Amino acid sequence: DVKVTQSSRYLVKRTGEKVFLECVQDMDHENMFWYRQDPGLGLRLIYFSYDVKMKEKGDIPEGYSVSREKKERFSLILESASTNQTSMYLCASSAREGQTDTQYFGPGTRLTVL
Amino acid sequence: GQNIDQPTEMTATEGAIVQINCTYQTSGFNGLFWYQQHAGEAPTFLSYNVLDGLEEKGRFSSFLSRSKGYSYLLLKELQMKDSASYLCAVMDSNYQLIWGAGTKLIIKP
Repeated sequence: DVKVTQSSRYLVKRTGEKVFLECVQDMDHENMFWYRQDPGLGLRLIYFSYDVKMKEKGDIPEGYSVSREKKERFSLILESASTNQTSMYLCASSAREGQTDTQYFGPGTRLTVL
Repeated sequence: GQNIDQPTEMTATEGAIVQINCTYQTSGFNGLFWYQQHAGEAPTFLSYNVLDGLEEKGRFSSFLSRSKGYSYLLLKELQMKDSASYLCAVMDSNYQLIWGAGTKLIIKP
């Protein structure tokens, strides 16, 4: 079974703080993704990575950065948290399986920025 | 622009059948996914369609018509544990997933 873990289920931070969200997968997947999920909206892609030390911007990268130093770990960084970054953050990983590319998700981190 | 449409909420009765529709307009098509998401939990993979037709997997089936930009998820013999949100996602020509906002399914006894 694929396992994707995230460092925290719930996190409360103050405006201006630097926030680190960690994601680890144990299936040797090449691809890793960070999404945010807000009520009434589909999942929105923040950043993704197809390989170690490689990153690509998704649809909403502003205010975020990422780091992928090891294949199994993908970190999302909020340089200076703002209240509009209060959201559910979901990490996912996938391997190239022909065209399938099924993404497997971690349990999510619900971040509140006060 | 790219767009995925699905109903916001549906209600069904335990033991019945429900069909959740999804229509899409995307730049290219490399498959359509359905995920289930219970409240406060991560989405979990249900099905993948890339060719037209019906894929059956136990109580769940998924249908695709590429010419119509349309899919549906069919849930049979509904159980209370099927109460969840169902997310439709399309993989576009860049192999990026475009997500719908999800359909919240409420099951009543």
